[in-house]
Amino acid sequence: DAMVIQNPRYQVTQFGKPVTLSCSQTLNHNVMYWYQQKSSQAPKLLFHYYDKDFNNEADTPDNFQSRRPNTSFCFLDIRSPGLGDAAMYLCATSPQGGFDQNFGPGTRLLVL
Amino acid sequence: KQEVTQIPAALSVPEGENLVLNCSFTDSAIYNLQWFRQDPGKGLTSLLLIQSSQREQTSGRLNASLDKSSGRSTLYIAASQPGDSATYLCAVTPSYNTDKLIFGTGTRLQVFP
Repeated sequence: DAMVIQNPRYQVTQFGKPVTLSCSQTLNHNVMYWYQQKSSQAPKLLFHYYDKDFNNEADTPDNFQSRRPNTSFCFLDIRSPGLGDAAMYLCATSPQGGFDQNFGPGTRLLVL
Repeated sequence: KQEVTQIPAALSVPEGENLVLNCSFTDSAIYNLQWFRQDPGKGLTSLLLIQSSQREQTSGRLNASLDKSSGRSTLYIAASQPGDSATYLCAVTPSYNTDKLIFGTGTRLQVFP
């Protein structure tokens, strides 16, 4: 089945220790998104790639970066995680962008 | 700036009840509105999509309505079941040429037997 896969599903890191979250897709979609969802809050778009073009939201902290080495994979790098970065991180894909987005199961990040 | 609000934040009902979840948005200039379901620790599944020109959409026991001028949408769930227990989020697409979904904070629904 075509799908969006996120690894790991749970990640524990230490305050200030860099961490990388992974997303892969078998849908061959052009667009990939990263959302942050804190407890009981709305998912918030961090950035997205339209093919290789990177689009950063204005209020995304500099601490967050992303890489998309090929169509199938996209990574979220948090350079120096703080306690406030503990959240569910959702990856989504879309054929050509817009509202038609397919979400992965998410990675729950805990910062100690 | 578009803001999306969902009321109530949590709802607990007995099995079999019909229920209504509410979503409101501050800017009526939207392209469409979606309702999503999120199970605990899982990603989002799109349930219904209403285009800005439409008034409602139905899928099985779910019916979503849209009143763009008043900035409101409702999700009606008929004959609720324990399997409907999840968080329901609404999201708007601000315009046709945007990649952004603006989400509400969700309504956490529990249906008990």
